[in-house]
Amino acid sequence: ELKVEQNPLFLSMQEGKNYTIYCNYSTTSDRLYWYRQDPGKSLESLFVLLSNGAVKQEGRLMASLDTKARLSTLHITAAVHDLSATYFCAVDATYSGAGSYQLTFGKGTKLSVIP
Amino acid sequence: NAGVTQTPKFRVLKTGQSMTLLCAQDMNHEYMYWYRQDPGMGLRLIHYSVGEGTTAKGEVPDGYNVSRLKKQNFLLGLESAAPSQTSVYFCASSRNLRVWETQYFGPGTRLLVL
Repeated sequence: ELKVEQNPLFLSMQEGKNYTIYCNYSTTSDRLYWYRQDPGKSLESLFVLLSNGAVKQEGRLMASLDTKARLSTLHITAAVHDLSATYFCAVDATYSGAGSYQLTFGKGTKLSVIP
Repeated sequence: NAGVTQTPKFRVLKTGQSMTLLCAQDMNHEYMYWYRQDPGMGLRLIHYSVGEGTTAKGEVPDGYNVSRLKKQNFLLGLESAAPSQTSVYFCASSRNLRVWETQYFGPGTRLLVL
């Protein structure tokens, strides 16, 4: 069974600071997704990471994937209040035997950026 | 394009009642999914479909049924609602997870079972 663990689950940080959210997963996978969810809203796709060493950046967010370590990171640079949201990582469950086309989600990291 | 839409947005049911949640997408996506989101649990896959006329079980399928009679629609049914099914339900669709495709999510349906 594929397990996806995010940490921290809650993060409060001041504007202007840097921080990293971690996503560990338990079985082989070469495809990882990051989503953002604002309170009471749906999920918005941020990044799709497809191979070992993949790095993607959008604004103040940068995501990376290390398939050998089964680890993805979401790095926040110089945080601003608008980044306050819950961030989910999700892993393609194909290699876990659960079947293709399925994603297993982490529990999410609730980020609060304080002015 | 409306993307992924869900009907209804909010519903209150009594234990034992039945209902159907409708998901529609106008992106001509092959794959559609139903998830539930509970506090502190992330999203969990209930059922999914890889094409018209096909459905498959996800991680938490018990108590739910689905149908995909048309490519653009994916229905989630609760035959006899239970309080444990109180949750926010999200529908998603994707073109093809074998390439660099992501899933696109609907706005969600909040369901309260009393």
